Amino acid sequence: KAGVTQTPRYLIKTRGQQVTLSCSPISGHRSVSWYQQTPGQGLQFLFEYFSETQRNKGNFPGRFSGRQFSNSRSEMNVSTLELGDSALYLCASSSPGQGATYEQYFGPGTRLTVT
Amino acid sequence: DAKTTQPNSMESNEEEPVHLPCNHSTISGTDYIHWYRQLPSQGPEYVIHGLTSNVNNRMASLAIAEDRKSSTLILHRATLRDAAVYYCILAGSNFGNEKLTFGTGTRLTIIP
Repeated sequence: KAGVTQTPRYLIKTRGQQVTLSCSPISGHRSVSWYQQTPGQGLQFLFEYFSETQRNKGNFPGRFSGRQFSNSRSEMNVSTLELGDSALYLCASSSPGQGATYEQYFGPGTRLTVT
Repeated sequence: DAKTTQPNSMESNEEEPVHLPCNHSTISGTDYIHWYRQLPSQGPEYVIHGLTSNVNNRMASLAIAEDRKSSTLILHRATLRDAAVYYCILAGSNFGNEKLTFGTGTRLTIIP
């Protein structure tokens, strides 16, 4: 089975711009979660989508948004980029059915640099 | 979310067992204990999880204290490839609660 793929792997943007990151989950997985990883804050949960609906949301401003398509692929968008948005953005997919008894599979991440 | 406490760093010699501790004194009865690890320049990788009983898989063993306030991840024979940051995470059992709350983890260094 192919793993979680994320595109692009690296991205450089300027303050004020917006960016869209893409995630393709493992085939058959319907839940996609997004995380932000920075040296200062570590790994932080952004949001989670299941069957095209956002089910969980972390503590991030409204500039961070996402969506999920009918094929479970997901995108996240960050508008009006700030320098502090520079981070590794990780996507994880899972096949939930019994709550926390599943495991999440992470992609390699997209490294976003805001200048 | 219930919190976990892990040592910031640990070292171990190659080919020796490694015991990574985790304290979670505020764990609730329905919280599962998950372990993930993150190798350099990669996304986190699932290692193992458990609820009450000790668990084994091909990667590691998870020993859970009887009162569930602590647990230990055991790598039976460390290799250089096991050098990573190891995260101990509590996650509830509610369907729809796929959020993982990562702490700072333990950075494991393997000495050749």
